[in-house]
Amino acid sequence: EVQLVESGGGLVQPGRSMKLSCAASGFTFSNYGMAWVRQAPTKGLEWVATISYDGSSTYYRDSVKGRFTISRDNAKSTLYLQMNSLRSEDTATYYCTRDGGYWGQGVMVTVSS
Amino acid sequence: VQMTQSPSYLAASPGESVSISCKASKSISNNLAWYQEKPGKANKLLIHSGSTLQSGTPSRFSGSGSGTDFTLTIRSLESEDFAVYYCQQYNEYPLTFGSGTKLEIK
Repeated sequence: EVQLVESGGGLVQPGRSMKLSCAASGFTFSNYGMAWVRQAPTKGLEWVATISYDGSSTYYRDSVKGRFTISRDNAKSTLYLQMNSLRSEDTATYYCTRDGGYWGQGVMVTVSS
Repeated sequence: VQMTQSPSYLAASPGESVSISCKASKSISNNLAWYQEKPGKANKLLIHSGSTLQSGTPSRFSGSGSGTDFTLTIRSLESEDFAVYYCQQYNEYPLTFGSGTKLEIK
């Protein structure tokens, strides 16, 4: 069974950093592209970033380019999202997703002073 | 690519059929997925490639369309179908979602 479990969220002050992790299991992690999608409170879904199966290609939405970095450790079957210079508008539940339509349950990130 | 999803809210009774529309601001071929969101559960992929049912999706769900106009139809609604539905285009970056349709029991 495919499982994606996010961790690392919480409350952070504007301008600070936070790193999210997503532990994957139930499939061969190194074979699949992965992505982060977020959902602000009472808002819809918003794609954040994608990484190819081998980490050689990454894609970001404009609003996070230069601030967020998506990465992966295939040996550990783990996906990461390093978030720097956080803003209040980054407040959201962040979901780890796998090519083929699998989603984690999400982790909440709140950016507030 | 902007995805315009309608309606944003839909009330129906079990046994009825409903349709949800998703329109893309430019052609996305058939690179469209439909997801179901339910509280406390991971989002579930229902349909990809515009009309291909994901393994495990009940046959009462169907998707149609290509280019810019897409439709999700649910026939003979069951209680478990009352949820929020999103369309998503994956033809180009940035990937974009529709604003969602909340399907409630009438």
